[in-house]
Amino acid sequence: EVQLVESGGGLVQPGGSLRLSCAASGITFSGYWMHWVRQAPGKGLVWVSRINSDGSSTNYADSVKGRFTISRDNAKNMLYLQMNSLRAEDTAVYYCGRPLKGVGPAFDIWGQGTMVTVSS
Amino acid sequence: DIVMTQSPDSLAVSLGERATINCKSSQSVLYSSNNKNYLAWYQQKPGRPPKLLIYWASTRESGVPDRFSGSGSGTDFTLTISSLQAEDVAVYYCQQYYSTPLFGGGTKVEIK
Repeated sequence: EVQLVESGGGLVQPGGSLRLSCAASGITFSGYWMHWVRQAPGKGLVWVSRINSDGSSTNYADSVKGRFTISRDNAKNMLYLQMNSLRAEDTAVYYCGRPLKGVGPAFDIWGQGTMVTVSS
Repeated sequence: DIVMTQSPDSLAVSLGERATINCKSSQSVLYSSNNKNYLAWYQQKPGRPPKLLIYWASTRESGVPDRFSGSGSGTDFTLTISSLQAEDVAVYYCQQYYSTPLFGGGTKVEIK
């Protein structure tokens, strides 16, 4: 079964750091670009970051550029999001997503999400 | 940057009736070299991740009921649920993937 499972969320104070993980199973992980998308409570979906299949290229939303770092370990089928200098507005459920092969970043596989709360 | 605008914000439809959701892009998402519209539709139920319904503006994802259909080209797109079922109550999002992925604001569909 194809599955993505996020972990690492929690409560953190403003200015703090968290590292999210996304474990992939049932897919040829190294063959896919991977993405993070977030959703603030009661709000819509917002793309956060992406990384190419071998990890040599990354992109970020302007709102997180310079604070977040996406990375991956293809040997372990793992995707990561290192989040530093966290702000209240980073509070959200964070999803990892796999794009459809041959289509681009239309995401056919999503994790269940991990909640990040930034509050003092 | 491309801006995605969905309308309406919410709609209430009777069971068995048609639901229509609109999505407008500030720039064309039609890629001329392959004549494909880089537009997807998702369904999201409370507490669940989004579910891909449609990609290339009108291609139904495997397993999606045929009451869901997508249409449109360039900058104007529509998701139609031909006969609303109780299990279709959800929020629906359009998303362009012509450039950096960007989602519309969502449309909440309820039963009248």
